[in-house]
Amino acid sequence: GAGVSQTPSNKVTEKGKYVELRCDPISGHTALYWYRQSLGQGPEFLIYFQGTGAADDSGLPNDRFFAVRPEGSVSTLKIQRTERGDSAVYLCASSRGLAGPSGELFFGEGSRLTVL
Amino acid sequence: GQSLEQPSEVTAVEGAIVQINCTYQTSGFYGLSWYQQHDGGAPTFLSYNGLDGLEETGRFSSFLSRSDSYGYLLLQELQMKDSASYFCAVTRNQGGKLIFGQGTELSVKP
Repeated sequence: GAGVSQTPSNKVTEKGKYVELRCDPISGHTALYWYRQSLGQGPEFLIYFQGTGAADDSGLPNDRFFAVRPEGSVSTLKIQRTERGDSAVYLCASSRGLAGPSGELFFGEGSRLTVL
Repeated sequence: GQSLEQPSEVTAVEGAIVQINCTYQTSGFYGLSWYQQHDGGAPTFLSYNGLDGLEETGRFSSFLSRSDSYGYLLLQELQMKDSASYFCAVTRNQGGKLIFGQGTELSVKP
């Protein structure tokens, strides 16, 4: 596809369950980012990958959150033992190289996670 | 650490000009970006300033003053479709990640 694709678009789960969110970036984009956004707030940085490796995971809130990008393309954000406070829209973005020199990220529509 | 401040809400009328300010505090500042987000949609890139001065892209312009740690987004000839949230974001140390502000909700009235 032409843009960043995220699945599922909506996920409702129960407290304590495990969740996986998938991101398919724009073809050829080497950098991939995960953000989460709560209502009325700006996107909050979680982690970004340059290729297969996590270049900066300083935004992951705790060890329940983990992300992988094994082949340098699709990425999966994994959340263990979900808590109600994890409810948010999880946004994925990609860029051709590092976003620093241009400031431009291409975002997907997000995965809305609701933890009951 | 780092922080960005922008007004939470701005209201303007169709056809008018509006300026959304952003002040930031961060070490290793590299550049300032602006994004637009409609309700329920993805943030979309509008503009970027790596150097001091004004960048113009159609009805949108963005300004940066590094010495004042300040930037703004200027929207001209406002249209109803410009009603959205606008975010400033900083990049540090030539790195990849962007740190976003809390956003400004712009309401354009007829």
